[in-house]
Amino acid sequence: QAGLTQAPSVSTGLRQTATLTCTGNSNNIGNEGAVWLQQHQGHPPKLLSDRNNNRPSGISERFSASRSGNTASLTITGLQPEDEADYYCSAWDGSLRTQVFGGGTKLTVL
Amino acid sequence: QLQVQESGPGLVKPSETLSLTCTVSGGSISGSGYYWGWIRQSPEKGLEWIGSIYSSGSTYYNPSLQSRVTISADMSKNQFSLNLHSVTAADTAVYYCVRVWEYWGQGIVVTVSS
Repeated sequence: QAGLTQAPSVSTGLRQTATLTCTGNSNNIGNEGAVWLQQHQGHPPKLLSDRNNNRPSGISERFSASRSGNTASLTITGLQPEDEADYYCSAWDGSLRTQVFGGGTKLTVL
Repeated sequence: QLQVQESGPGLVKPSETLSLTCTVSGGSISGSGYYWGWIRQSPEKGLEWIGSIYSSGSTYYNPSLQSRVTISADMSKNQFSLNLHSVTAADTAVYYCVRVWEYWGQGIVVTVSS
């Protein structure tokens, strides 16, 4: 089944800003928005942003999500070593009637 | 603080049924207005939504798995469960239960092998 498209890897310097993108279509991101998840190796995913681009309690303001058309973005400012992780986007697809995921972006902090 | 925790066998034989339970603590699954779901993750397929159950009891399944999946809830025990029938090696994965999408269990590794 069709999923969302994410770059496999992104590398950015310490204390710099990284922007991760997630591309879908009008049946998923364009209509429903996307959630963003962070996953460190060996741990379950953690919600960074809900589909309305709101951060759950306890999530740093350094993480901000946005959407333009069929593309969702996650911007991480002031990169820290602990930000090195896999980042996934996900959205409900009203046409496929299923939740779709991106393949994930591995963020490396140089 | 709400917590969810998966339990069940870590090894299932091919063609048999994979059965997992998610125990919820620190909150109620009934009347909560939330979706409770099962997600699995494997190197081959990445993250995959299996299905969800709403606090009213309505269920929603991934169309690609719908013929083999049943998700149910036991409100008296504050648990919800996953049954995946006729498993194959392709169903080997880490299985997570989640209160969509904020609270995740630690995950349980399920291997399908004889």
